[in-house]
Amino acid sequence: GAVVSQHPSWVICKSGTSVKIECRSLDFQATTMFWYRQFPKQSLMLMATSNEGSKATYEQGVEKDKFLINHASLTLSTLTVTSAHPEDSSFYICSARENSGRPHEQYFGPGTRLTVT
Amino acid sequence: GENVEQHPSTLSVQEGDSAVIKCTYSDSASNYFPWYKQELGKRPQLIIDIRSNVGEKKDQRIAVTLNKTAKHFSLHITETQPEDSAVYFCAAKTGANNLFFGTGTRLTVIP
Repeated sequence: GAVVSQHPSWVICKSGTSVKIECRSLDFQATTMFWYRQFPKQSLMLMATSNEGSKATYEQGVEKDKFLINHASLTLSTLTVTSAHPEDSSFYICSARENSGRPHEQYFGPGTRLTVT
Repeated sequence: GENVEQHPSTLSVQEGDSAVIKCTYSDSASNYFPWYKQELGKRPQLIIDIRSNVGEKKDQRIAVTLNKTAKHFSLHITETQPEDSAVYFCAAKTGANNLFFGTGTRLTVIP
């Protein structure tokens, strides 16, 4: 089946620094990737939709200058949390959608747990 | 936009009993309804999905029903086992748009 990887799986950073999270589709091409954040015991909240070669579309309330998304290839999207603060601590999960085959289905990465101290 | 509501938020059942989780959605144009199982600290895993042209789908102990008129769909797990314990999320999608997730149900199967 389709596999999506994320790196790193966890990261601890100091307040004010930036953190980059990578999302890769390993065995399929993904024109569209999604970034979610999930607080403890809560649902997945969509942050942005990333399309290869174009600017990401951000959900209402998500600061695009703080959460930089780049989708430079059909297999890689990155999320950079700039000037991180403790309130950015969360579980960040990406997902990718295939170009063909089962276009409805999204495949999720394993998630990245970010802790900002 | 789409609004997905999910009930109950927590559910405890005895091993071997059935579990039912219900979701409603607001956008009548939604046509794809997946269910995900998420264990603590792990990625959501698709367990079953249904498209709007189908009223029911079954896969071994798991079944999903869809009522388009009432705009609700349900997950049914029969003969529950302790390993079924997890958080379950329903979702709805319109065409090529994004998935909108329900708030999740924490299922506990008591041995």
